[in-house]
Amino acid sequence: AQSVTQLGSHVSVSEGALVLLRCNYSSSVPPYLFWYVQYPNQGLQLLLKYTSAATLVKGINDFEAEFKKSETSFHLTKPSAHMSDAAEYFCAVSRPGGANNLFFGTGTRLTVIP
Amino acid sequence: EAQVTQNPRYLITVTGKKLTVTCSQNMNHEYMSWYRQDPGLGLRQIYYSMNVEVTDKGDVPEGYKVSRKEKRNFPLILESPSPNQTSLYFCASSLDRDDQPQHFGDGTRLSIL
Repeated sequence: AQSVTQLGSHVSVSEGALVLLRCNYSSSVPPYLFWYVQYPNQGLQLLLKYTSAATLVKGINDFEAEFKKSETSFHLTKPSAHMSDAAEYFCAVSRPGGANNLFFGTGTRLTVIP
Repeated sequence: EAQVTQNPRYLITVTGKKLTVTCSQNMNHEYMSWYRQDPGLGLRQIYYSMNVEVTDKGDVPEGYKVSRKEKRNFPLILESPSPNQTSLYFCASSLDRDDQPQHFGDGTRLSIL
């Protein structure tokens, strides 16, 4: 069965500091993995996706994530936080039946401190 | 402009009064789905549809119905709403079941009193 665990429901970083949001997954088949971002009062937007090609995936707004099979992790990072990065971030894993049939984590709210 | 449109954006209603949340996409997408978002639980899939007249249950389908009579529309129906269905609802669409990103609507906040 597929599942996703996001460690830390709230993360605070200073502007300019490294952003690290953690995601661990469980999957009975090789997974597709995704990070989505949700800004206040909006729907979700895809940040990046892993689909079994390169293990280091680059996304929009300088975010990237690394797929580590041995650790069953897909952590999201950004070298330097901007105020505009404040949002909620969701990790998701695909499940059998199609890559679009996603199971979402519980989300991590990122606060950026000026 | 490519978009997924949900209506209404906000609704306060009472227990037992049937309601429908509409979802429409203008991208000719085959795949559509409904999620509910609750604090601490993330997004959970309610129903999805792979094409016209093809729908299937997600993780939390109880108390909901859907229909897919046309490709562009995927309404979510609450026949007899209850307070535990108070939530933020999102509709999403994509070209097909293997396509990303899914395009999300801006959400519908339902309060059932």
